Amino acid sequence: VQLVESGGGVVQPGRSLRLSCAASGFTFSNYAMHWVRQAPGKGLEWVAVISYDGNTKHYADSVKGRSTISRDNPKNTVYLQINSLRAEDTAVYYCARVRVSYDTGAYYAYWGQGTLVSVSS
Amino acid sequence: AIRMTQSPSSLSASVGDRVTVTCRASQGIRNDLAWYQQKPGTAPKLLIYAASSLQGGVPSRFSGSGAGTDFTLTISSLQPEDFATYYCLQDYNFPRTFGQGTKVEIK
Repeated sequence: VQLVESGGGVVQPGRSLRLSCAASGFTFSNYAMHWVRQAPGKGLEWVAVISYDGNTKHYADSVKGRSTISRDNPKNTVYLQINSLRAEDTAVYYCARVRVSYDTGAYYAYWGQGTLVSVSS
Repeated sequence: AIRMTQSPSSLSASVGDRVTVTCRASQGIRNDLAWYQQKPGTAPKLLIYAASSLQGGVPSRFSGSGAGTDFTLTISSLQPEDFATYYCLQDYNFPRTFGQGTKVEIK
């Protein structure tokens, strides 16, 4: 199992960014995927989840209304777009795969290496 | 949102010590709780799920217990590779919420 995030970088406040997570080594279309972030020197914060079929999505209050999680099962990729970026969105963003197929639960058996998003003018 | 409160925020311990970290939920979450270990600069690692089930490949010195609102992670004999930060995470409802973390340091 391998998860590789990309799309991070330095972005100005108010702009948008789309993160990608490319998956391999398992049947991607059978697993829900989550995004978790960690601000520098801080704890972990759950961000969003998308079900295996893309029909169910949930978001943290901190990003709700300005973020969209999506997936492309034929491309084995999950995305997180965040609009109207704020300084407090600065963090390492991890994608994570749940333990059990078809479950949207929070037991993340596999994680990517993370991609750093820095919101600064 | 359910609030997860860990204690202590940090602790100092020696190799061979028995270490206990607690996590309290602001409402009952059955046994829908996981524990993660994170070392600096790396992604978290799943240790325990469903409050007391050991994830494959995790040493048996790690154990979890509890249900409802109060949970415990125990390391029976602390090893050098166990110095890290530990987080609980509730899997009961959305939004998922983590505890603030417990840093285990070398005494």
